[in-house]
Amino acid sequence: AQKVTQAQTEISVVEKEDVTLDCVYETRDTTYYLFWYKQPPSGELVFLIRRNSFDEQNEISGRYSWNFQKSTSSFNFTITASQVVDSAVYFCALRLTNSGAGSYQLTFGKGTKLSVIP
Amino acid sequence: GAGVSQTPSNKVTEKGKYVELRCDPISGHTALYWYRQSLGQGPEFLIYFQGTGAADDSGLPNDRFFAVRPEGSVSTLKIQRTERGDSAVYLCASSLMGSGGPRMQYFGPGTRLTVL
Repeated sequence: AQKVTQAQTEISVVEKEDVTLDCVYETRDTTYYLFWYKQPPSGELVFLIRRNSFDEQNEISGRYSWNFQKSTSSFNFTITASQVVDSAVYFCALRLTNSGAGSYQLTFGKGTKLSVIP
Repeated sequence: GAGVSQTPSNKVTEKGKYVELRCDPISGHTALYWYRQSLGQGPEFLIYFQGTGAADDSGLPNDRFFAVRPEGSVSTLKIQRTERGDSAVYLCASSLMGSGGPRMQYFGPGTRLTVL
C-alpha cells in the first residue's frame, strides 16, 4: 500500500519569508506520479504540479519550486517570498502508473496548513 | 469551460436518514472519482467509475455507501442510515483517460455533509 506523510501540520510565516513544505512517500512500485494540490478556504483542490518518478529534475514556476529526491522518497515544495494569498492547506499526493489496482486513485497526505501573516 | 460541479454544497441531516450527493463532471471526462475528506485529513478514495461501471469501489467504507453513474456522466453517491461518523466533505473529481491510464483529476468544490 502507498503512504504519503506530511509531518508539518501547521506552519506560520511572515509575508515575504520563504517556506518549505515537506512530503515523504512510501511505495513498492517503481513508477508513480507525485502531486501537490492547494486547498484554499473555499475548499476546492487546486492542482499545482505533477512529477513522474522517472524525472528527478527540480522545477521552478514563478515563486514555487519543487525538489524531488527519489533516494530519500521526498518531494518538497518551496514558496519563495510568501504572500498572504498563499495561505491554504497544501496536500502532497501519489498515484501509481501501472495498469492495475490503485493506478487511478490518489493517495493524499494529511496536509500542511500554511498561514502567511502580513 | 465549466469545471466539476457538486450539489448540494452543504447538507445537514439527522442520524439514520438517507442522503444523496450529486456530481456533474467536466464534459467529456469518462473517469469519475469520489473521495471523502474528514476534518483535518487529506481526501481518501472511495470509488472510481470508468464510464457507467464502478471499476473500483474498494474505498467504500461499508454497504451503507453506494454510488451510481447510469449514463456515464452525472454520478450520485448514496448513503443509507447515516451516522455521525459520516460527517465529512465529499469530493468528486473527473478526468480523461489516456493510453497510459487516467489523466489529471480535476476536483469539484465538494459537498459538506453534517450528520446530527
